[in-house]
Amino acid sequence: AQSVTQLGSHVSVSEGALVLLRCNYSSSVPPYLFWYVQYPNQGLQLLLKYTTGATLVKGINGFEAEFKKSETSFHLTKPSAHMSDAAEYFCAVSEMDDYKLSFGAGTTVTVRA
Amino acid sequence: DGGITQSPKYLFRKEGQNVTLSCEQNLNHDAMYWYRQDPGQGLRLIYYSQIVNDFQKGDIAEGYSVSREKKESFPLTVTSAQKNPTAFYLCASGPGQHQSSYNSPLHFGNGTRLTVT
Repeated sequence: AQSVTQLGSHVSVSEGALVLLRCNYSSSVPPYLFWYVQYPNQGLQLLLKYTTGATLVKGINGFEAEFKKSETSFHLTKPSAHMSDAAEYFCAVSEMDDYKLSFGAGTTVTVRA
Repeated sequence: DGGITQSPKYLFRKEGQNVTLSCEQNLNHDAMYWYRQDPGQGLRLIYYSQIVNDFQKGDIAEGYSVSREKKESFPLTVTSAQKNPTAFYLCASGPGQHQSSYNSPLHFGNGTRLTVT
């Protein structure tokens, strides 16, 4: 069975600063990894996903994530934060032949002007 | 425009009453899912269905029931047996195992916030 740990429930950054959200997973087989974003009282929107191939994955809104198998990590970054990045971010994992997603507890990002 | 519709957006019920949350999708997805979201706990899987007339319990199914009579619809009933029903409920859909796309992301509705007093 797979599981996800997101380090830090809240992250506060200044506008224009680097955004770094940490995600570690456990999986007995090669995982499929996802980052989702949630704005208040809304559903989840896919930011990016890793399935196979290139380990650096680019997503929407300037976000990217790097799959590091040796560290079992899939951290999300954005070089320069914008006020519109304030939201909750979820890391999720699934495995081959398992059609369910397991989610981390989420990280709330606030952006200071 | 394809998507998932959850209704209503806000729902208020008295303790002891059953309540049904609606979820409809027009994405032609085989699989549908119900998640519960509580602050600081992420999303937890309640029930999921890979095909019409079939569904499985997720991690926290106690006190909930579902049906899957149509491909487009997957309603969730929160029964009076659910000890702490106040939460944000999210419905999702995806291609599922029968459409052979296990690495495809799920698509989510905008959620229903249920408050039970």
